[in-house]
Amino acid sequence: GAVVSQHPSRVICKSGTSVKIECRSLDFQATTMFWYRQFPKKSLMLMATSNEGSKATYEQGVEKDKFLINHASLTLSTLTVTSAHPEDSSFYICSANPPGDSPLHFGNGTRLTVT
Amino acid sequence: AQSVAQPEDQVNVAEGNPLTVKCTYSVSGNPYLFWYVQYPNRGLQFLLKYITGDNLVKGSYGFEAEFNKSQTSFHLKKPSALVSDSALYFCAVGGGGFKTIFGAGTRLFVKA
Repeated sequence: GAVVSQHPSRVICKSGTSVKIECRSLDFQATTMFWYRQFPKKSLMLMATSNEGSKATYEQGVEKDKFLINHASLTLSTLTVTSAHPEDSSFYICSANPPGDSPLHFGNGTRLTVT
Repeated sequence: AQSVAQPEDQVNVAEGNPLTVKCTYSVSGNPYLFWYVQYPNRGLQFLLKYITGDNLVKGSYGFEAEFNKSQTSFHLKKPSALVSDSALYFCAVGGGGFKTIFGAGTRLFVKA
């Protein structure tokens, strides 16, 4: 079945530094990938839609300069949290749609802790 | 606009008993409906989907869901719960060119 790989699974960084999270579709090409943020005991909040070869589409309230998204190939999207602050600590999850009517497939998430 | 509601924050059930996790939706047109499960510190795993066809959809791990158009519901069910089914369950609507919207999630506790 379709596999989405997300890396790293866990990262701890210092306040003010930047962190890059990778999302790869391993056995299908994904022109579109999605980035979500999940707060403890809460649902997934869609942050942005990553579009291969063009700019990402950000949801209302999400700072595009803070959360940089790059989708340089059909199998890779990256989310960079710039100048991270403790309030950026969260669980970030990516997903992608295989072709056709297939459902979203999700990466295993990245637990970001900013100290 | 599409939306989905999961009215229960938590569902408790004894092992071996049937379980139901509720979901209602609001869409214009024909809905694409999904159920996902999330284990601690993991991404979401797909359980089942309804796009068209039979109203009763069978999915992974013995789960099934019934699409009810008149009640705009898509409740998740399992005839006999296992302790290992304890997790966070999300109902979602979308696909077919629309963004996938998730419900708030329902935490299922299965007690031995």
